[in-house]
Formats: sequence, structure tokens, C-alpha cells
Amino acid sequence: GIQVEQSPPDLILQEGANSTLRCNFSDSVNNLQWFHQNPWGQLINLFYIPSGTKQNGRLSATTVATERYSLLYISSSQTTDSGVYFCAVGGGGTSYGKLTFGQGTILTVHP
Amino acid sequence: DTAVSQTPKYLVTQMGNDKSIKCEQNLGHDTMYWYKQDSKKFLKIMFSYNNKELIINETVPNRFSPKSPDKAHLNLHINSLELGDSAVYFCASSQGHSTSPLHFGNGTRLTVT
Repeated sequence: GIQVEQSPPDLILQEGANSTLRCNFSDSVNNLQWFHQNPWGQLINLFYIPSGTKQNGRLSATTVATERYSLLYISSSQTTDSGVYFCAVGGGGTSYGKLTFGQGTILTVHP
Repeated sequence: DTAVSQTPKYLVTQMGNDKSIKCEQNLGHDTMYWYKQDSKKFLKIMFSYNNKELIINETVPNRFSPKSPDKAHLNLHINSLELGDSAVYFCASSQGHSTSPLHFGNGTRLTVT
């Protein structure tokens, strides 16, 4: 199956700093999504981005499918950005929407 | 309005018991899923249903039985609970298999003692 590796595993920032999270995957995909799990355990979908670039406020994401990686950018970080960020990917064919998750990046933003 | 809702939020039970978790979505999606998150936060798919039809069944013990009475509901029944079943179980939904965002419920934390 597809392997997904996220880096860094942990990231500690001061409020206002910018950061880049990376997701590498081992095979071609037709489905890539980024999620934020907040400290209360809720999983929030940030981006559906199998290719290209998207922006939503202070967050943006870029997926270069041909090179098998995706990046999540967080600008002017806030304490509410803390939590775990997951990248999840799915292949075509008979994957039927099965997403394989990375191990996550734990982000802590200090005031 | 909660888009994907699951109940209960917490479930504490003893080994050997049978329990169910219910999930409902009001997004009009045709595909629903159960994911399991272990103590190390690793998320893994268990089941997927599309229009009430089972389409993904990962290597899950047959003590776990999903049921989808209609495309807006997907329940999970677990027989003969074991200590290792302790985890957070997330329900999710999407429109289609792989061409739209996945929306998660808030999770059910199952603790087996």
C-alpha cells in the first residue's frame, strides 16, 4: 500500500511565526487531504488538494503530485493552530476512497 | 447544525460486553466510513459504505460489524469487547469515493476495562 511520511514530527513555535509542514508519499495519488486535529480531538478538514495550490486565510497548501509531496504552510501562527496536522492520501483504481494517513505533525504554538 | 454526529461521545465498558456506536450525517453524502485512532494518534480506516453497500472492509476482526440502514446512517456494533479495542472511533462521510473532502464526526472514545 501507499506509504505516507510527514515531517517534522514535532514543531514548537512562538505566536506570529510561519511554518511549513511536509508530506511525502510513495505512489501516485488521486486524493490528498490535510486535516487538523485540535486539542479537543476534533478532526477538521483543511484542504482537499490532490494537485495544485489552494489558500484559505493564513493557511495554504501545495501538492506536486509528479514529485509525490505536499506542503502545508501556516503563516502568522496563533495558539489556536496548536494540535496535530495529518496528511492523508488515496490512490486511484480500486481504492474506493480509502485514505492512508501519515503519522502527523504535532504543532505547539506558544503565546 | 452538526454535519456528522456520532453517539455516544464516551463509552466505558468491561471486557466481553457488546456495544454499539451510532453515526448520522446530514450533508447528503453517499459514502460513510469508520476510522480507528489508536493511543499513538494513528488513524486507520476500518469500513466504508457507499449508498448502503459495503465497499471497504479492512482487516478488522469479525467482532466488528457495521450496518448502514440508509445512506445517512452508519452504525458500528462490537461484540465481545477486548482491552485492545480501546481507542477513539471516528465516523466520517464524503460525496463519492475519492473526489471530495472527508468530514469527520467528533469521535467516540471507547475504554474497555
